[in-house]
Amino acid sequence: GAVVSQHPSRVICKSGTSVKIECRSLDFQATTMFWYRQFPKKSLMLMATSNEGSKATYEQGVEKDKFLINHASLTLSTLTVTSAHPEDSSFYICSARTRLQEAFFGQGTRLTVV
Amino acid sequence: GQQLNQSPQSMFIQEGEDVSMNCTSSSIFNTWLWYKQDPGEGPVLLIALYKAGELTSNGRLTAQFGITRKDSFLNISASIPSDVGIYFCAGPPPGSARQLTFGSGTQLTVLP
Repeated sequence: GAVVSQHPSRVICKSGTSVKIECRSLDFQATTMFWYRQFPKKSLMLMATSNEGSKATYEQGVEKDKFLINHASLTLSTLTVTSAHPEDSSFYICSARTRLQEAFFGQGTRLTVV
Repeated sequence: GQQLNQSPQSMFIQEGEDVSMNCTSSSIFNTWLWYKQDPGEGPVLLIALYKAGELTSNGRLTAQFGITRKDSFLNISASIPSDVGIYFCAGPPPGSARQLTFGSGTQLTVLP
């Protein structure tokens, strides 16, 4: 299947700092990528849809100024958690979909804000 | 919003047993996807279904796209310890070229 690479896999940061997470589609072009947040033992919660060359579309309740998304190329989307606080600690996962509507996921990023 | 009802929520089985889980929707889906997620990892696509009635296998896994297009099931035969994980069904709601809707997941535990 297609490969989506997410980096870093784990990050620990101090409260008030910003963290950038990268999501790359390695062997296909993705005009649309998706960012999810997952709480322990829960399903994936869509945060936003990242659109190449245009603004991201955020789901209701997700602060766009807090979770900055940039999709500068057909293979890269980034999520920046700004002024992180302990409640932002979570597992963040990106995905990209192929033309067959199959979604492939990155490895996920475990963010811990201390 | 659109929801997928996935059951069971969790299962504890003996190694070697077969497992079955399913998802239902109140509306029609054109694609059904089944994923497995290991702890601390992103979901991995197991099987993709595109046509009503389609039955597809991937090793010991078999999934079917229901005739009504409102349900799908996943079977795992002769379970082994590495089958442990969370299994999710998912699909793009009709009319949506965007995000997937996910089931709530089935936590599978395989006892030796």
